[in-house]
Amino acid sequence: NAGVTQTPKFQVLKTGQSMTLQCAQDMNHNSMYWYRQDPGMGLRLIYYSASEGTTDKGEVPNGYNVSRLNKREFSLRLESAAPSQTSVYFCASYRSGRSSYNEQFFGPGTRLTVL
Amino acid sequence: AQSVTQLGSHVSVSEGALVLLRCNYSSSVPPYLFWYVQYPNQGLQLLLKYTTGATLVKGINGFEAEFKKSETSFHLTKPSAHMSDAAEYFCAVSDMNSGGYQKVTFGIGTKLQVIP
Repeated sequence: NAGVTQTPKFQVLKTGQSMTLQCAQDMNHNSMYWYRQDPGMGLRLIYYSASEGTTDKGEVPNGYNVSRLNKREFSLRLESAAPSQTSVYFCASYRSGRSSYNEQFFGPGTRLTVL
Repeated sequence: AQSVTQLGSHVSVSEGALVLLRCNYSSSVPPYLFWYVQYPNQGLQLLLKYTTGATLVKGINGFEAEFKKSETSFHLTKPSAHMSDAAEYFCAVSDMNSGGYQKVTFGIGTKLQVIP
């Protein structure tokens, strides 16, 4: 049981380049999330997927797109990277249902630098 | 709307001393409250959570937190700091969206330094 996995772990892009961050979970969770972490700002929600086939914008969606490929996988795409997107990106999943669950499980993160 | 305020972005304690990390929240509905820990170059790991029931919640690694509704607080404590506690700690609040997913709002984090 690997939990939540993310690839790549590190990436350096030039301004204007595109890339896709991959995330997968093997816990059969319904909802998945993409966050970015910046110093002094905590974690901010970029996009989320409440269930397979649905996606919604979070707090900071501009410059990003997402795809919920299936129940396991949720990818984040930067179409034209900008230096302001330099950050650490975390994927998380959540098991809905009983109120006693109530925990998001996080991947190890992708450290992205845009030059 | 919900929000979290963590008082003190950096806290230093001596090894063996009390750890107290402060968190205040606002929520329009009864909140679920969390503390997560992040070690360098790693993802977030749940320390403890409050959903319903007992207001004093015990977590991993000797940490505990008390939900005080009247003070809208959820401060994290540990009686005796260990060097391995050095990390960044995030307080978070959520409510249960009717769609069955969880929207979590995180605080900005508190970096804990433990001095030998």
